[in-house]
Amino acid sequence: EDQVTQSPEALRLQEGESSSLNCSYTVSGLRGLFWYRQDPGKGPEFLFTLYSAGEEKEKERLKATLTKKESFLHITAPKPEDSATYLCAVQAGTYKYIFGTGTRLKVLA
Amino acid sequence: DTAVSQTPKYLVTQMGNDKSIKCEQNLGHDTMYWYKQDSKKFLKIMFSYNNKELIINETVPNRFSPKSPDKAHLNLHINSLELGDSAVYFCASSQGWDGMNTEAFFGQGTRLTVV
Repeated sequence: EDQVTQSPEALRLQEGESSSLNCSYTVSGLRGLFWYRQDPGKGPEFLFTLYSAGEEKEKERLKATLTKKESFLHITAPKPEDSATYLCAVQAGTYKYIFGTGTRLKVLA
Repeated sequence: DTAVSQTPKYLVTQMGNDKSIKCEQNLGHDTMYWYKQDSKKFLKIMFSYNNKELIINETVPNRFSPKSPDKAHLNLHINSLELGDSAVYFCASSQGWDGMNTEAFFGQGTRLTVV
């Protein structure tokens, strides 16, 4: 069965304290792995798409990497405005995205 | 200009009522979705439509009836609302090519509260 698991469930960091979020997946024939950011009361906002193992994408303080079994979202020197829930999703079949339960990140000033 | 817009943003209603949520996308995408997000923030797919045709129905009770009048619109009608239907409902869209899809773009969500 296709499945996505994210860890940790919640993470508190001091401003400037770098860390990584994990997304482990089991899917038959990965067609894409997606990272989203969700702020309270809003819809998920797209961050990155990764298609093949070894691929990396960067945007400001965020860097996403992909292996055959998992993806990491590295956050370098985070700021309080990076506080949000980060969601990972895989494309399972052409018309379906399966989401993980997310990591709630809190960055303290 | 909002890419995926859904209305209303908030919906409070009594058990047994019927309600609708509307969704429109101006991205020119050919695939639209309804997702349900529970209190633990888990997003679960309900329906997928491609070019107005229902592709995926994830064992959703038949009280939920999606309708896609055209590629840019996907509405969700819910009959006989129950307490357990309380959640945030998200509409999304994406573009497909060669069996793949781009990232999905989400609306701002409709918070449904059944009392």
